[in-house]
Amino acid sequence: DTGVSQNPRHKITKRGQNVTFRCDPISEHNRLYWYRQTLGQGPEFLTYFQNEAQLEKSRLLSDRFSAERPKGSFSTLEIQRTEQGDSAMYLCASSFGQGIPPLHFGNGTRLTVT
Amino acid sequence: SQQGEEDPQALSIQEGENATMNCSYKTSINNLQWYRQNSGRGLVHLILIRSNEREKHSGRLRVTLDTSKKSSSLLITASRAADTASYFCATERETSGSRLTFGEGTQLTVNP
Repeated sequence: DTGVSQNPRHKITKRGQNVTFRCDPISEHNRLYWYRQTLGQGPEFLTYFQNEAQLEKSRLLSDRFSAERPKGSFSTLEIQRTEQGDSAMYLCASSFGQGIPPLHFGNGTRLTVT
Repeated sequence: SQQGEEDPQALSIQEGENATMNCSYKTSINNLQWYRQNSGRGLVHLILIRSNEREKHSGRLRVTLDTSKKSSSLLITASRAADTASYFCATERETSGSRLTFGEGTQLTVNP
């Protein structure tokens, strides 16, 4: 169990640029989640995959956001035309099993939009 | 929107004391989980309690759940400086699909 890996750890970008983050879940985990966390707040749900299928998306996920999980392995989260309000920690988590078992989180990608 | 509300928002205690954090939620749930987060890191799962359970223990942690009051508490006994972190409750609502909904957290500081 090598844990959930997220890259990059930090990303600074200028407003209007596109950014892409990657998440490598624990290998046997079929479920993958993306959350966003701003300073002093709890994580907010963005989207959820079961294997390669994106089964749920939050209304927080505007049309500038897109997530993929090709072949049900790693996942990418892309933000197009970044805005200063996109500055946050983007957390990936994975799990395996029925219901909502405990989530295993990565250490996140901190995005700063200048 | 956040489902859970943690109370207090911040708690500062001395090493060896007990720390109690509370979580309230609004809608019916299937289970409630507690997570811990060290500064700048991801969250780590601590304990899960199902809606038909009232109390659960894990090492120095004790969690209670009162579904009639829609509230839960996390007790950390004999706290250590290493327990300093933010603690979040997260609920799986009956109608939430596949998402966990997190509260805003309690920042615990344990002074050596």
